[in-house]
Amino acid sequence: GAGVSQTPSNKVTEKGKYVELRCDPISGHTALYWYRQSLGQGPEFLIYFQGTGAADDSGLPNDRFFAVRPEGSVSTLKIQRTERGDSAVYLCASRRDSSEAFFGQGTRLTVV
Amino acid sequence: GENVEQHPSTLSVQEGDSAVIKCTYSDSASNYFPWYKQELGKRPQLIIDIRSNVGEKKDQRIAVTLNKTAKHFSLHITETQPEDSAVYFCAATTDKLIFGTGTRLQVFP
Repeated sequence: GAGVSQTPSNKVTEKGKYVELRCDPISGHTALYWYRQSLGQGPEFLIYFQGTGAADDSGLPNDRFFAVRPEGSVSTLKIQRTERGDSAVYLCASRRDSSEAFFGQGTRLTVV
Repeated sequence: GENVEQHPSTLSVQEGDSAVIKCTYSDSASNYFPWYKQELGKRPQLIIDIRSNVGEKKDQRIAVTLNKTAKHFSLHITETQPEDSAVYFCAATTDKLIFGTGTRLQVFP
């Protein structure tokens, strides 16, 4: 079946603008994770959903970042008033129970 | 919360030699420890994982060991090949999956 899909694959935005990044998890995967990865670094945890609810959002860097998963499937990561420091690859992963997490191909966000 | 440390940050080996990457974790409740390989510009992909009720797991040239008492786990790659060159990440989790900072492995022919 289809893997984890993230759109767009690339996004260039101006400083101060609002962006939305979308993640389509594997069907049936109840857990969904968002990570941010800068060049040469490991995936930095942002937020994790179990079903529709955010089980842990302790990794969101500040209140400009918000994520939703209203129907327990697709998730959207929203970033307000983007800053140049937000530039990174945003990775989404999904998982069934306590098994392997599968990653999407990521969205490369560039704030200019 | 969970904190995962990974060493070394870079590792260079000759083809055919072994490579070992080590990770430590802080949360004794963590019960699942995957290892991911990430090639340049690609998504991370699972290469092996181990659960807390097992001390060692092997899959061909790759093995992982877990010491729950010391809260550390290691990835062992034997008979390395140039195609093993990539960045490797360890992770630890109960539910929240936390990654180490990565090890860039270079295998020279």
